[in-house]
Amino acid sequence: GAGVSQSPSNKVTEKGKDVELRCDPISGHTALYWYRQSLGQGLEFLIYFQGNSAPDKSGLPSDRFSAERTGGSVSTLTIQRTQQEDSAVYLCASSLDGRFYEQYFGPGTRLTVT
Amino acid sequence: EDKVVQSPLSLVVHEGDTVTLNCSYEVTNFRSLLWYKQEKKAPTFLFMLTSSGIEKKSGRLSSILDKKELFSILNITATQTGDSAIYLCAINAGGTSYGKLTFGQGTILTVHP
Repeated sequence: GAGVSQSPSNKVTEKGKDVELRCDPISGHTALYWYRQSLGQGLEFLIYFQGNSAPDKSGLPSDRFSAERTGGSVSTLTIQRTQQEDSAVYLCASSLDGRFYEQYFGPGTRLTVT
Repeated sequence: EDKVVQSPLSLVVHEGDTVTLNCSYEVTNFRSLLWYKQEKKAPTFLFMLTSSGIEKKSGRLSSILDKKELFSILNITATQTGDSAIYLCAINAGGTSYGKLTFGQGTILTVHP
């Protein structure tokens, strides 16, 4: 079946604008994760959704970042008033319930803030 | 705060060499340690380790965990150019967030023909 998809694949935006990044997880995967990867760095956890439970937002770097997951499937990560330090690749992953170690990653969205 | 440190940050070898990648960690309520291979953008899962001293093996790759000394190693024998990638180590800690992973900065492995 189809893997995790993300859109757009690339996004260039001006400082101060808002952006929305979309993630479509694998069908049937109840867990969804967002990560950020800056150049030459490992993955930085942002937020994690598991079924109907309250999301773990502990990795969101500031209140300009928010995410939602509608209907237990598609997720949108929103960054308000973007800053240059927000430039990174944003990766989404999904997994089956309890199989957090076997996360399937999407191709990512490369965000560039000019 | 949970922390994962990988070494070396980069490594260049020739085909046929054996490499050892290191991962040390600090964590409260350790649950598991994971290794991923990242080629281009999307990481792929390699191993999950929960118990000390038990080697996980898949082909030319193997990994072992030492919970007393708080580290893990990933070995790759008879390296091939297709092994060139970033290797990421991550830990999963106990607590309220079951699925949260803390990643190290990765080791960039380059295998020359």
